[in-house]
Amino acid sequence: DIQLTQSPSFLSASVGDRVTITCRASQGIGSYLAWYQQKPWETPKLLIYAASTLQTGVPSRFSGSGSGTEFTLTISSLQPEDFATYYCQQLQSVPLTFGQGTRLEIK
Amino acid sequence: EVQLVESGGGLVQPGGSLRLSCAASGFSVTNSYISWVRQAPGQGLEWVSCIYSGDITYYTDSVKGRFTISRDTSNNALHLQMNSLRVEDTAIYYCAKRALTGYYDFSGQGTLVTVSS
Repeated sequence: DIQLTQSPSFLSASVGDRVTITCRASQGIGSYLAWYQQKPWETPKLLIYAASTLQTGVPSRFSGSGSGTEFTLTISSLQPEDFATYYCQQLQSVPLTFGQGTRLEIK
Repeated sequence: EVQLVESGGGLVQPGGSLRLSCAASGFSVTNSYISWVRQAPGQGLEWVSCIYSGDITYYTDSVKGRFTISRDTSNNALHLQMNSLRVEDTAIYYCAKRALTGYYDFSGQGTLVTVSS
């Protein structure tokens, strides 16, 4: 099974900050990676797929990069509505594993 | 508009069974790729199962032999039959459809399964 490890697990930042979350895969997954945002009591929302393609309707301050085993999600200028938990998911092979999540909180 | 609505959750004793449903609208479940994902209280997301075209099915190791995913084309729905439930199966269960992009979109609110004596 492919393991995904996100870092950091917890991040405290301020509105306007630039933040980066990393997702590392235990083996190469090409670009078969998605990023989701989940707010408390809400359903996960797809932000980025194929490692770097922005889902329709997602603000351009979100971006993704990487391939193989290392991927990043960057938020260029944090907005109040961005404070949430972020998950990566690989779709290279079943089981379609998720990272453990990165909780982004307001400093 | 693609919409999925999960139902069937509830309180069940360890060893019991539940059947979750995922009602689809805006598309046909026939030949769609659909996954179940769960989230235990205060925990992260865990992929559980998926069904591909040709009714090929996959499961995470912890549910193999206990859970069965299936299509219900007459009702345009998907089911997850869960048997021999364990306390650690307690979670919100979401269904998600694979879009043309190849990635999964969640559109329902999930259904809560609580396994407790």
